[in-house]
Amino acid sequence: QVQLQESGPGLVKPSETLSLSCTVSGDSIRDYYWSWIRQPPGKGLEWIGEIQKIQKSENTIYSPSLKSRLTISADTSKNQISLKLNSVTAADTAVYYCARVSRATGWYFDYWGQGTLVPVSS
Amino acid sequence: EIVLTQSPATLSLSPGERATLSCRASQSVGTALAWYQQKPGQSPRLLISDASNRAAGIPARFSGSGSGTDFTLTISSLEPEDFAVYYCQQRGNWPLTFGQATRLEIK
Repeated sequence: QVQLQESGPGLVKPSETLSLSCTVSGDSIRDYYWSWIRQPPGKGLEWIGEIQKIQKSENTIYSPSLKSRLTISADTSKNQISLKLNSVTAADTAVYYCARVSRATGWYFDYWGQGTLVPVSS
Repeated sequence: EIVLTQSPATLSLSPGERATLSCRASQSVGTALAWYQQKPGQSPRLLISDASNRAAGIPARFSGSGSGTDFTLTISSLEPEDFAVYYCQQRGNWPLTFGQATRLEIK
C-alpha cells in the first residue's frame, strides 16, 4: 500500500523559506509523477507544482503565481519529494499535501498524504 | 488559466435522494476532468477520472459525465457518508486547477 508522509516545520516566519518533504513508502518515486497541493484553512484546493521524474529524466512544472518563489525536487535515494517556497507571507499559510500522479488513473491525484499545516507568522 | 466553476456552492439533500453537482470550465478540457471528495480533517479522495471513470473502490452510486466545458457528478442515492465537500479538477491545460467546491450537506 502506497503511503505519503509530509514533514516540515510547525511554523515559518514571514520572509523566510518554507521547506517540506514528502516521504513515499510502498512505491518508488521513479515510477510516478508527484504534485504538491495546498489548502488555506477553510478554503479550497490550490495546485502548486509537479515533478515528473521518470528514471533518468526530470521535468518540473510550477503554478505561474508561485513560480518565482518555488522549487520542487526529488531525491531517489531517500524516495522523497521536496518543496521549497521562499519569501513567504501570511497568504502562504495552508495545509500542504503531496500527491501521487498516476498514469493508470489518467494522470490524476490517486494517493495523497495526510497533509501538514504550515502557519506563517512572526 | 482554466477556471472551473462549481454549482451549487451548497447542496442540501436527504439520505436516499439523488445529488447532481455541476462543474463548468472556462474553456474546453476535453474529458480531462476529475472529481474528488473531501471530508473534514481528511485528504481529498479521487472519485472519478477522465470525466466518467470511477476510481478503484468507489461505489457504483457515483457517476460522472460530460465533456468539453460542462461536467456533472451524480450520486444516485445518497448515503450518510456521502455528505462532504466535492471538488472538480482539470488536467487539460497547465496550470492544473480546481473548482471552488460544492458542499453537500444533510437537509
